[in-house]
Amino acid sequence: GAGVSQSPSNKVTEKGKDVELRCDPISGHTALYWYRQRLGQGLEFLIYFQGNSAPDKSGLPSDRFSAERTGESVSTLTIQRTQQEDSAVYLCASSFIRTEAFFGQGTRLTVV
Amino acid sequence: AQTVTQSQPEMSVQEAETVTLSCTYDTSESDYYLFWYKQPPSRQMILVIRQEAYKQQNATENRFSVNFQKAAKSFSLKISDSQLGDAAMYFCAYSNYQLIWGAGTKLIIKP
Repeated sequence: GAGVSQSPSNKVTEKGKDVELRCDPISGHTALYWYRQRLGQGLEFLIYFQGNSAPDKSGLPSDRFSAERTGESVSTLTIQRTQQEDSAVYLCASSFIRTEAFFGQGTRLTVV
Repeated sequence: AQTVTQSQPEMSVQEAETVTLSCTYDTSESDYYLFWYKQPPSRQMILVIRQEAYKQQNATENRFSVNFQKAAKSFSLKISDSQLGDAAMYFCAYSNYQLIWGAGTKLIIKP
């Protein structure tokens, strides 16, 4: 596709359920980032994938959060046993190494 | 570790006036990229301008220009002839290998 695609756009889930968020990066982009953004706040780094290197998971807030990426393709962010504090917009971005990142439109997650 | 600091949580400017947003960063690297992104209420992140550290000339994109001071590790964004559509959060970012982000500055445009 022409840009970074995220699905779903919106997700409402019950507390305690697992959710999976998907990101389709721009073809050829070796780097992929996941961020969390709360209303009116900045970008909270979650995880960074670069090619076949080990991902930088230093931003994951707890072991309920995990992400996968196969090669330079789709990535999924999984949140297990969701809590109300997980409610936020989750943004995905991709880039070539060292250059500007292109962002998806985000997934708005609401935990009720 | 690299850091990016935006010291102005919020700025306001009269429509048609000029405003400057500040950004400083800390790095021991000599070759890197710097970026300004805009995030309007639609939440879509949009690249405004980028600067390569090895280039001394300041980047310009229409009404947007930067003042890149490498020795001072400063990278400010100047918006000329401010328009209502410029109202947004503005984020400064640094990249040598991985992107590092500032906390953002909310820009308000007064009609």
